[in-house]
Amino acid sequence: LAKTTQPISMDSYEGQEVNITCSHNNIATNDYITWYQQFPSQGPRFIIQGYKTKVTNEVASLFIPADRKSSTLSLPRVSLSDTAVYYCLVGETETNRDDKIIFGKGTRLHILP
Amino acid sequence: EAGVVQSPRYKIIEKKQPVAFWCNPISGHNTLYWYRQNLGQGPELLIRYENEEAVDDSQLPKDRFSAERLKGVDSTLKIQPAELGDSAVYLCASKKPGSATGELFFGEGSRLTVL
Repeated sequence: LAKTTQPISMDSYEGQEVNITCSHNNIATNDYITWYQQFPSQGPRFIIQGYKTKVTNEVASLFIPADRKSSTLSLPRVSLSDTAVYYCLVGETETNRDDKIIFGKGTRLHILP
Repeated sequence: EAGVVQSPRYKIIEKKQPVAFWCNPISGHNTLYWYRQNLGQGPELLIRYENEEAVDDSQLPKDRFSAERLKGVDSTLKIQPAELGDSAVYLCASKKPGSATGELFFGEGSRLTVL
């Protein structure tokens, strides 16, 4: 399983774009990169997933360089409600494989007014 | 569509007492996970079920923890006897078969405090 490294915490201001980078130097060919968001007193919630280049949905964008050794979650124009912990996960998603889904410590994002 | 339902939301017990947590996954989700989350940490996998079969319980402390998933739907996680270090949030998650993204759907968790 590829290990991930991400900043422990980040602060930003409302209306700003926030980029959280995750390092995964040992990512395997079949691994996907997935990000989850967790608010206090709730379980984690899937945000976005990608394999290479760029993925965008209504919540965020995910940028993955060609070597796939890192990825960046981009949150456009954050608000106070984006204050949460963000987890970067790397692994296979094929259901017929041993799909351990391992969470690290995550990045605590604090949005200031 | 109802989400993953867990109960109780909160539980306070004395050490050495037993405790049980219940999880009802999303209908049709055959994969079920139990995670433990300590304060300030990410969730740690305890056990994973495919239908009623526990396919990965390598991280489950089997001396005091047990789990079951009868009929491949609801699941129960039990701790007996509880220790002070078991204080944590116990999260249940489920995943639907053939999911392209492997997305997990989590419940709100059961917060355990052992005194």
